[in-house]
Amino acid sequence: AQKITQTQPGMFVQEKEAVTLDCTYDTSDPSYGLFWYKQPSSGEMIFLIYQGSYDQQNATEGRYSLNFQKARKSANLVISASQLGDSAMYFCAMREAFKAAGNKLTFGGGTRVLVKP
Amino acid sequence: GAGVSQSPRYKVAKRGQDVALRCDPISGHVSLFWYQQALGQGPEFLTYFQNEAQLDKSGLPSDRFFAERPEGSVSTLKIQRTQQEDSAVYLCASSLRTSGSLRYFGPGTRLTVL
Repeated sequence: AQKITQTQPGMFVQEKEAVTLDCTYDTSDPSYGLFWYKQPSSGEMIFLIYQGSYDQQNATEGRYSLNFQKARKSANLVISASQLGDSAMYFCAMREAFKAAGNKLTFGGGTRVLVKP
Repeated sequence: GAGVSQSPRYKVAKRGQDVALRCDPISGHVSLFWYQQALGQGPEFLTYFQNEAQLDKSGLPSDRFFAERPEGSVSTLKIQRTQQEDSAVYLCASSLRTSGSLRYFGPGTRLTVL
């Protein structure tokens, strides 16, 4: 079974509107962390936001927020007020604290976002 | 610079050649990871170092892949007898602590095997 599933291969969004990127995960580890990364066409992976499995509040970082629904095992990223510079690939990733040394990340397949002016 | 650097940024190899990819992590970072990212896909874990110790190499796809970090800082990923399916971007990431949540990625090395 896929550990991280991103069901939207690509999305268009109008500039200044909000967009939600879906991510579901699968783990039996009680302690885990969820990450979102942005990868522009230049290739670097840019960290956006992190949510720990025991965090009570949904994580927010500027225009990014994470809609964490633990029972549904979902960690959707919401980007508010989209900008042209938000056009990129977005990856959801999970760290399972006890499963492997170093807490390696497992990534989903990504969602390509294109912001239209 | 203060970030993770990788060299070369681009590498073209003929099938059967050996290649070596270098990663310079952020100074003082204990953990170092290598990932392979095929075109249009998410990164896949290859191997993990804690200082100079290679604690997890479960993601290395074959015995043609070898990684080292002899002094606990710079790391080299070596691929012997390259095959076309090795064509990918190879990403290096480092984090300050072994349990650190925040990890920093390098720009990657794009390997093309002809």
